Amino acid sequence: EVQLVESGGGVLRPGGSLRLSCVASGFPFGSFVMNWVRQAPGKGLEWVAGINENGDITNYAESVKGRFSISRDNAKNSVYLQMNSLRAEDTALYFCAKDEAIGGQAALDSWGQGTLVTASS
Amino acid sequence: SYVLTQPPSVSVALGKTARIPCGGDSIGGKSVHWYQRKPGQAPVLIIYYDSDRPSGIPERFSGSNSGNTATLTISGVEAGDDADYYCQVWDNSSDHPVFGGGTKLTVL
Repeated sequence: EVQLVESGGGVLRPGGSLRLSCVASGFPFGSFVMNWVRQAPGKGLEWVAGINENGDITNYAESVKGRFSISRDNAKNSVYLQMNSLRAEDTALYFCAKDEAIGGQAALDSWGQGTLVTASS
Repeated sequence: SYVLTQPPSVSVALGKTARIPCGGDSIGGKSVHWYQRKPGQAPVLIIYYDSDRPSGIPERFSGSNSGNTATLTISGVEAGDDADYYCQVWDNSSDHPVFGGGTKLTVL
C-alpha cells in the first residue's frame, strides 16, 4: 500500500522559513516524479512544485518561484520543500503527491494527509 | 498559463445524475484528470486520462472530454458523494499541472 506522510508544518511570522518533509513507502520511490500541492483556506488546489525521478529537474509555480525549493533523497524515500521568505498568502495545507505513471505529465494518484503551514503576524 | 473553469457549486438530488463541467481552450486535446476532496481527507484520484477509473473507484463515476469542455458524471448519486471535485490537466506552456477552481457538489 502506498503511503505518503508529511511533516514540518507550523505557525510562523511572515518572512520566516520552514522545511516540509514527506516520507514515502509502498512503491519504488526513485522511479516517480513527486509533487507538492497546497490548498489555502477556502480556496482550491494549487500545484506548488515538482521534482523528477533523480532530482536534477525541478519546476515551480510562479507564485513561489525564487522562494521555495524542492529536493529529494531517494535513499531515504523522502521529498522536501524548503520554504523561505514566507508570506501570509502561503498559509495553506501542503500535500505531497505522487505521479501516477513513470515519465512525468501524469495524474497524481496518491496523496498524503497534508501538513498545515500558517504564516501570520 | 492554461485556465480551467469550473462552476463553484452543483446540486443534485439523491439517486439522480450529477454532471460537473470543466472548461478550457481546446481541452479536448488534453488529458483530463478528476479528484474528489472531502473535508479532513486527502484528495482522491477518481478519473484519469479523461475517462479511466483507478482501481477501487465505483463505476458510477465516469468522465468525458471533447471540444472545450470535459465533464465528470456521477450516476446514482449517494450521500457520500457530497464533496469538492477538481479537474486537472498538464499545461505544456508552463510545464506543470493546472487545477480547476473546484466544484462543491451538494447532495439534496
